[in-house]
Amino acid sequence: AQSVTQLDSHVSVSEGTPVLLRCNYSSSYSPSLFWYVQHPNKGLQLLLKYTSAATLVKGINGFEAEFKKSETSFHLTKPSAHMSDAAEYFCVVSVRYGGSQGNLIFGKGTKLSVKP
Amino acid sequence: NAGVTQTPKFRVLKTGQSMTLLCAQDMNHEYMYWYRQDPGMGLRLIHYSVGEGTTAKGEVPDGYNVSRLKKQNFLLGLESAAPSQTSVYFCASSRGANQETQYFGPGTRLLVL
Repeated sequence: AQSVTQLDSHVSVSEGTPVLLRCNYSSSYSPSLFWYVQHPNKGLQLLLKYTSAATLVKGINGFEAEFKKSETSFHLTKPSAHMSDAAEYFCVVSVRYGGSQGNLIFGKGTKLSVKP
Repeated sequence: NAGVTQTPKFRVLKTGQSMTLLCAQDMNHEYMYWYRQDPGMGLRLIHYSVGEGTTAKGEVPDGYNVSRLKKQNFLLGLESAAPSQTSVYFCASSRGANQETQYFGPGTRLLVL
C-alpha cells in the first residue's frame, strides 16, 4: 500500500536561514511525488513534482526536492527562507486507487513558521 | 481564466439538513475531485470523476454523493448532514491521472451544528 509520512508537523526557521521539510514515502510502484503549499485560508498550489525524470526537482519560489529511492525520501529544501514562505506544506504521492486511476495520497502537512 | 471555483465559500448547517457544493473549472479538464481537509489529517479524497457522466468513490465516500452532468461542473451533495462532516472541502481538477498536476479551488468551509 502507498503512504506518505511527513516527519515534522511544525518547523520554525529564521528569515534568511535554510529550510528543510522532510517526507518519506512508501509505494509498491514507481511513484510520482509532489509538494503542494497552502497559505492561510487559501487553496493548494503545486510547488514541484517528480515523475521519474531527474531526481533533483526544482520548483517555484526557490524550492527544490531530491528523490532518493534508497531512502524512500523526497525532502523539500530552500537555501534561504522568506517571510512569505510561512504556510503549510504537503508531501503527496500518486497512487493507483483501483483500476488505472492515479489518485493522490496526502501527508498530514508541515506548518512552516518564519521568524524575522 | 478563473481556474477552479467553488460555491459557497462558507455555510452553516443543522444536523439532518442537506446541501450541495458546486465546483466549476474552465480548463477543459477531464478529471475532477472532491477532498475534505481536517486538522492534522491532510486532505482525503471523497469522490472523483474521470469524465463527464462518470463518478467513483475515494477514500472517505460515506455520507456524500456526487454528480458530473457537465464536464466543467462537479457537484458534492450531503443528503443528511452530520457534525462529523464539519470540515473544509476542496475541489480539484486535472488534465489526466497519475503524473498530472491537480489544480485546487479556494475551498468551502462547512460547519454542521
